Amino acid sequence: SQTIHQWPATLVQPVGSPLSLECTVEGTSNPNLYWYRQAAGRGLQLLFYSVGIGQISSEVPQNLSASRPQDRQFILSSKKLLLSDSGFYLCAWRETGELFFGEGSRLTVL
Amino acid sequence: AQSVTQLDSQVPVFEEAPVELRCNYSSSVSVYLFWYVQYPNQGLQLLLKYLSGSTLVKGINGFEAEFNKSQTSFHLRKPSVHISDTAEYFCAVRSAPGSARQLTFGSGTQLTVLP
Repeated sequence: SQTIHQWPATLVQPVGSPLSLECTVEGTSNPNLYWYRQAAGRGLQLLFYSVGIGQISSEVPQNLSASRPQDRQFILSSKKLLLSDSGFYLCAWRETGELFFGEGSRLTVL
Repeated sequence: AQSVTQLDSQVPVFEEAPVELRCNYSSSVSVYLFWYVQYPNQGLQLLLKYLSGSTLVKGINGFEAEFNKSQTSFHLRKPSVHISDTAEYFCAVRSAPGSARQLTFGSGTQLTVLP
């Protein structure tokens, strides 16, 4: 069966520091992968999606970037974090039109 | 483009009581509809989905939802809730057939089940 892993689960970073959140999927090949952000009291906002290695589409302009160095690896990054980057970040993969989510990474920027 | 409105941000209910979480959507095309549940500090888990066919959809954990096209609603119901149902619930919509990246989420409803 397919599984999706995210790490770290929790991260506290100072403003201006870099960020790297990693997501890996097991049990499938060439998945469509997604990064969402969930701010407190709000729904999920799609940040990036990828249909294959090196293929990244950004949905909204922001301080973040994404990369897909391997088929089943999706990385969310920032060179300099802002306070507004705080939130709960969710990675997801798609199968037959449904999205399956990872456990999430909670980022607090101080 | 489509949008989703979850009318209640918080719903407190006593254990074993029935509950309804409301969801309305707007779209100019046919839609697929979803309900997800999120337990504290966890990812989202699919509860149920409507793609086509019967408008009454049954999901996991005893939940069900009814698609009402004329009222553009997809309300989630459970006849008797448990403490373990305490979680945040998200309604989502995307155009049919559409793409998963077009999935639009509501702002969520926090269901709190009281003993």
